[in-house]
Amino acid sequence: DAGVIQSPRHEVTEMGQEVTLRCKPISGHDYLFWYRQTMMRGLELLIYFNNNVPIDDSGMPEDRFSAKMPNASFSTLKIQPSEPRDSAVYFCASSPRQGAYEQYFGPGTRLTVT
Amino acid sequence: GIQVEQSPPDLILQEGANSTLRCNFSDSVNNLQWFHQNPWGQLINLFYIPSGTKQNGRLSATTVATERYSLLYISSSQTTDSGVYFCAVKGAYNTDKLIFGTGTRLQVFP
Repeated sequence: DAGVIQSPRHEVTEMGQEVTLRCKPISGHDYLFWYRQTMMRGLELLIYFNNNVPIDDSGMPEDRFSAKMPNASFSTLKIQPSEPRDSAVYFCASSPRQGAYEQYFGPGTRLTVT
Repeated sequence: GIQVEQSPPDLILQEGANSTLRCNFSDSVNNLQWFHQNPWGQLINLFYIPSGTKQNGRLSATTVATERYSLLYISSSQTTDSGVYFCAVKGAYNTDKLIFGTGTRLQVFP
């Protein structure tokens, strides 16, 4: 299996621009998670989906952030408008089931907002 | 919520040395994973070990769930072992989220 795939790997954008991050989970996995990693806050769970349905978005920092999962093999995380404090590494992860099952992480997208 | 503490926060070793990393958690868990974040930022799964002992090459891990801790052993360390090691758990009573510790930063010098 190719593992979790994320694109782009690096994104540099100017403040105010829209940013879209993409994720393809491992085939057959029912759960998809979006995380953000910064030096100050470590790894934070932003939102997760079960069978394409958002279950918990309490970690989404504000209304500028939105996430969708239109089908079992694709998800997006959108920031509009972007701000410099959104600069971070964004990880996508998937697992075959919630609870006692292992999560697998993608390579991450390093976002820099200038 | 469940708390996860890792120690030591930083570790500096010479190549060939052995080390033990510790993860303490504050409540019952049904999932515990160890990850290695390499210098390029990738999070690599090392072990899925909610209880018991596992070994993979020079690495091994033990989780004593009843005493709420896990240990990661690295033997004959190599420079490629450098990076940050994270422990992450899911509480047995709330399986929604994987809670990460703050990590142990390991530097291995030749």
